[in-house]
Amino acid sequence: EVQLVESGGGLVQPGGSLRLSCAASGFTFSSSEMSWVRQAPGKGLEWVSYIGRSGSTFYYADSVKGRFTVSRDNAKNSLYLQMNSLRAEDTAVYYCASINGTYYFFDFWGQGTLVTVSS
Amino acid sequence: SYVLTQPPSVSVAPGQTASITCGEDNIGSYSVHWYQQKPGQAPVLLVYDDSDRPSGIPERFSASKSVNTATLTISRVEAGDEADYYCQVWDATSDLQVFGGGTKLTVL
Repeated sequence: EVQLVESGGGLVQPGGSLRLSCAASGFTFSSSEMSWVRQAPGKGLEWVSYIGRSGSTFYYADSVKGRFTVSRDNAKNSLYLQMNSLRAEDTAVYYCASINGTYYFFDFWGQGTLVTVSS
Repeated sequence: SYVLTQPPSVSVAPGQTASITCGEDNIGSYSVHWYQQKPGQAPVLLVYDDSDRPSGIPERFSASKSVNTATLTISRVEAGDEADYYCQVWDATSDLQVFGGGTKLTVL
């Protein structure tokens, strides 16, 4: 059974930093492209970042470019999101999701971790 | 960047058919995917590559696409179908994933 379990969310002040983790199991993590997707309270889904299988290719939404960094450790079956210079508008549930490499849809999702940016 | 437009809400009586649109110029050249999200839960893939269903998704959920509009159709709507529905494409020209704004389906 595929499982994606996010952790690391919490309350952080504006301008602060947070590192999210996503532990993967039940599939060959090193063969899967991955993404982070977020959802602000009461809002829709917003794609945040993408990372390729080897970790050498990444893309970011304009809203987080220069502040967030995605990485992975295939030996640990883990995905990460380093979030710096956090703003109130970054408040959201953050999901990690695996990507189908043929059609680029999100085939499996974690349950999400809540990040709240507030003073 | 690419923008996908969905109606904010759609209402339908039980047993009837609901149609949710996802529009943008030239969406016909993209592979469109659909997700269902119930309150407090993660999204679930409903349809991929315009009209294919993953295993386990009921045949009541179907989708199609024309030049400028993709449509998710839910037949014989049930109370349990009440949820938010999102379309999504991969914009390869800018290496961005794009979601529609989402449509809240209300079962009357």
